[in-house]
Amino acid sequence: EDQVTQSPEALRLQEGESSSLNCSYTVSGLRGLFWYRQDPGKGPEFLFTLYSAGEEKEKERLKATLTKKESFLHITAPKPEDSATYLCAVHTSGTYKYIFGTGTRLKVLA
Amino acid sequence: EAGVVQSPRYKIIEKKQPVAFWCNPISGHNTLYWYRQNLGQGPELLIRYENEEAVDDSQLPKDRFSAERLKGVDSTLKIQPAELGDSAVYLCASSQNRDSLYGYTFGSGTRLTVV
Repeated sequence: EDQVTQSPEALRLQEGESSSLNCSYTVSGLRGLFWYRQDPGKGPEFLFTLYSAGEEKEKERLKATLTKKESFLHITAPKPEDSATYLCAVHTSGTYKYIFGTGTRLKVLA
Repeated sequence: EAGVVQSPRYKIIEKKQPVAFWCNPISGHNTLYWYRQNLGQGPELLIRYENEEAVDDSQLPKDRFSAERLKGVDSTLKIQPAELGDSAVYLCASSQNRDSLYGYTFGSGTRLTVV
């Protein structure tokens, strides 16, 4: 069964304290892995797409990486405005499903 | 560009009452999705449209949920009758096609509370 698991569920960081969020997946075939940011009361906002193991994408303080079993979202020197829920989703090639994880709630303290 | 527009933003109804949600996707986006998001969970797909055709409705509870996308543009999701367990945020999203490199564009959602 296709499955996406994110960890940790919640993370509190001090401003400037770098860390990583994890997205583990088990799918029959991967068309792509997506990272989204979701602010309270809003829909998810697209951040990155990764297609193959070894691929990396960067945007400001965020860098996403992909292996054959998991993806990491690295946050370097975070700021309070980076506080949000970060969701990953996998697009499967076998069933052509788009499956979201449950997200990591990030809180960055000033 | 306005993005994906949903209405209403909030809805409170009594159980057994009907409710409808409306979505206007980004112009030119052929693929439209309805998702349900429970508190603390990721979105779960209810139905996917390619133009006006529902190509994946396997997770839609068809006994009480229905959806339509007339003319391949706007879409409406209906629940009749609503149950307490239907309380959630209903998100609409669109993309140029199902293989969009840029993910999906989501609306802000409709928060449904069934009392």
